[in-house]
Amino acid sequence: KNEVEQSPQNLTAQEGEFITINCSYSVGISALHWLQQHPGGGIVSLFMLSSGKKKHGRLIATINIQEKHSSLHITASHPRDSAVYICAVNNFGNEKLTFGTGTRLTIIP
Amino acid sequence: EPEVTQTPSHQVTQMGQEVILRCVPISNHLYFYWYRQILGQKVEFLVSFYNNEISEKSEIFDDQFSVERPDGSNFTLKIRSTKLEDSAMYFCASIERRGGYQQFFGPGTRLTVL
Repeated sequence: KNEVEQSPQNLTAQEGEFITINCSYSVGISALHWLQQHPGGGIVSLFMLSSGKKKHGRLIATINIQEKHSSLHITASHPRDSAVYICAVNNFGNEKLTFGTGTRLTIIP
Repeated sequence: EPEVTQTPSHQVTQMGQEVILRCVPISNHLYFYWYRQILGQKVEFLVSFYNNEISEKSEIFDDQFSVERPDGSNFTLKIRSTKLEDSAMYFCASIERRGGYQQFFGPGTRLTVL
């Protein structure tokens, strides 16, 4: 069973700050997903990674397979980035997701 | 952009009643999932469905739960006799095929059992 841990659980920052959210997992995976959950509850997929780094706008996701660790970075953070960010993984040969507990991000204007 | 839809957005029911939560996955997707999130907790896998049958289910998915794809577009989750602890947000998701494809989530149905 894969244990997915995220840190920090809560993060408050000023607008414009560089944000880093971390995720670690216990068992080797085929892919890692970063998801965003807004206050209304809906989940949006941000990234799916199996190696290296991906960038989309102000968001960057990296993964280190050997260390079983991933980070999500937000540059020039904005109040609209306020949401819960969730890390989830696929174990090998399995498409179901195992989720972390999420990081609640609040960006203050 | 194609999206997964779910109805209703909010369902309130009495304990012991049956509920059916509906999902319409993206049309060319082949694999379907139900997840749930109890308030304040992490999202949990319930069941996966492929080729008109369950491919995997969690220990949460007991005999009170069932899924079906009745007409080739809808994907439903039925809870036969709801309990208070079934109160949660239920998410449907779909992927195009196996092997490293992004999961697309529906907006969720909030189920409240009184």
